[in-house]
Formats: sequence, C-alpha cells, structure tokens
Amino acid sequence: GQNIDQPTEMTATEGAIVQINCTYQTSGFNGLFWYQQHAGEAPTFLSYNVLDGLEEKGRFSSFLSRSKGYSYLLLKELQMKDSASYLCAVMDSNYQLIWGAGTKLIIKP
Amino acid sequence: IAGITQAPTSQILAAGRRMTLRCTQDMRHNAMYWYRQDLGLGLRLIHYSNTAGTTGKGEVPDGYSVSRANTDDFPLTLASAVPSQTSVYFCASSERGDTHQAFFGQGTRLTVV
Repeated sequence: GQNIDQPTEMTATEGAIVQINCTYQTSGFNGLFWYQQHAGEAPTFLSYNVLDGLEEKGRFSSFLSRSKGYSYLLLKELQMKDSASYLCAVMDSNYQLIWGAGTKLIIKP
Repeated sequence: IAGITQAPTSQILAAGRRMTLRCTQDMRHNAMYWYRQDLGLGLRLIHYSNTAGTTGKGEVPDGYSVSRANTDDFPLTLASAVPSQTSVYFCASSERGDTHQAFFGQGTRLTVV
C-alpha cells in the first residue's frame, strides 16, 4: 500500500530552527509537496521537489532523497505565525496526491 | 478576487438527506478535486476531474457523486448522507492533472446527525 509518515506534533521556540521529516512509500513518484495549513483554514502550497537535493525559498527549505523515500521541511527564524500544520504529499505514478496526516507545529515564545 | 470558492461554509444535515456542496473557480484550471479531511488522517481524494466533461474516482468515492459540466464548477453530491460523512470537505484546482500546485477552497464543515 501507499504510505506517508510524518510526526504528529512538534514544538519549537520562536527564532529557532525546526526540521519536519516525511518518509514515503508510494506506487511511483512524480514529486513531493509541502503544504501549510493554519487551523480552520485551507492548505496553501509551500514547496515542490522532484529531484534530489535542497530547494530554498526564503526562511523555508525542502530536501528530497528519492533513494531513501525521505524529505524534510526546514523552517528557520521561526515566527509565531508559523504555528500551523505542515502536510507532506507525494504525487504517485497516476498523478494522484497521497497525503500524510500532517505535523502540527507549535511555536512557543 | 481570483480563486476557488466553496459553499456552504458549514452545514448540519440530517442523515438520509441529499446535499450538494458547491465549488467554483475562476482561474480557468483544467483539473479539480474534492477531498475530505478527518482528524488524524491525511486529505483523502473523493473524486477528481482532469478536464470539463470528465470525472474519476479517488480513494473514497462511495456515497458521493460529482459532475463537471463546465470548467468553472465542480459540485459534490451526497445522495443520502450518513454520519460517517461528517468531515471537512475541501475543493481544489490545478492547472492540469499533472501539475504540482493545487489551490484550495476554504472548506465546508459538514456534520451529519
């Protein structure tokens, strides 16, 4: 079966760095995505990786290793507004998105 | 304002009733999707449409139907609601079925009692 694993919840301090991991087992691979979802709101797109390596976008970076079925989202200089759930999703061979359950990130002052 | 709009925002529905959730986008996206999101689970695809006039079944299609008469609208119908369909429903769209960035509506919180 297809499976996306990510931690349920993480806590970090304002101004610090946090890394949210995601491992996956899917039927084929056409890219890995990270979305941010604030409580009660819609998911919004953060990043897309299809090749191995690190993609940097401001305070957020996303890493992919296809051979290990592994990705992480790195958030630097954490701000209170970064408190949200972070969703990892993989596009399988049928171009369907398979979603993880999300990691709830709590930022403390 | 360009984007994707869902209606209603929330609804309490008696079991056995029929309900249509509406979804409209004005970005001229070809692909549209309906997901449900339940606590502790990832988003699960109910139905999708890669282009107007075509639809497909996702992971959890039972009890739901969709239509795609035109590019902009993608309604989701629950023919006879059951309590297990209590969930938050998100409509989304993307340029094509194989493009990576999906845009989501604000969600419909449905409670079936």
